[in-house]
Amino acid sequence: EVQLVESGGGLVQPGGSLRLSCAASGFTLRSYWISWVRQAPGKGLEWVANIKQDGSEKNYVESVKGRFTISRDNAKNSMYLQMNSLRVEDTAVYYCAREAPESSGMDVWGQGTTVTVS
Amino acid sequence: QSVLTQPPSASGTPGQRVTISCSGSSSNIGRYFVYWYQQLPGTAPKLLIYRNNQRPSGVPDRFSGSKSGTSASLAISGLRSEDEADYYCAAWDDSLSGWVFGGGTKLTVL
Repeated sequence: EVQLVESGGGLVQPGGSLRLSCAASGFTLRSYWISWVRQAPGKGLEWVANIKQDGSEKNYVESVKGRFTISRDNAKNSMYLQMNSLRVEDTAVYYCAREAPESSGMDVWGQGTTVTVS
Repeated sequence: QSVLTQPPSASGTPGQRVTISCSGSSSNIGRYFVYWYQQLPGTAPKLLIYRNNQRPSGVPDRFSGSKSGTSASLAISGLRSEDEADYYCAAWDDSLSGWVFGGGTKLTVL
């Protein structure tokens, strides 16, 4: 079964750090761009960052630039989101999502991991 | 405030046809494909429409998408109770170098 599973969420104080992981199964992660998308409580979806297949390109939403770092380890079929200098407004469910080739959208999503900054 | 603009709510009765609009600009919808995601309560989003009007396998043909200029819309025909969910449009944005989402539309089946 094609699947993404996030982990690493939790409760952290403002200014603290967390590292989220996203593990792929049922497919080879190295063939895809991967995104992190978050959803604050009761709010809509917000794209956070994405990373190219080989890690050579990374993009971030303005509000996390300089604080969050996206990375991947294709040998482990996993990708990560290092979150530093966390703020209350970073509280959200964080999803990783696979970007299908040829502009076919984010076709596989994880179940999400909850980050609470308080 | 989201870069893409959607109505916060929509509603319809079973069997009806409803449409949800998504308005953007020349740096996103005007230049790139539009995607639609469905999020059922308490679950992760699911890809509903890609490349403006294409349906992934398994998505009923009751769902259709269209795009014109800097706007797009999602149409749901033959509305069913299980369609009650939040719907989000998305597109790549050139000036932001990132994906942008609409604020979401909560669809209620009366």
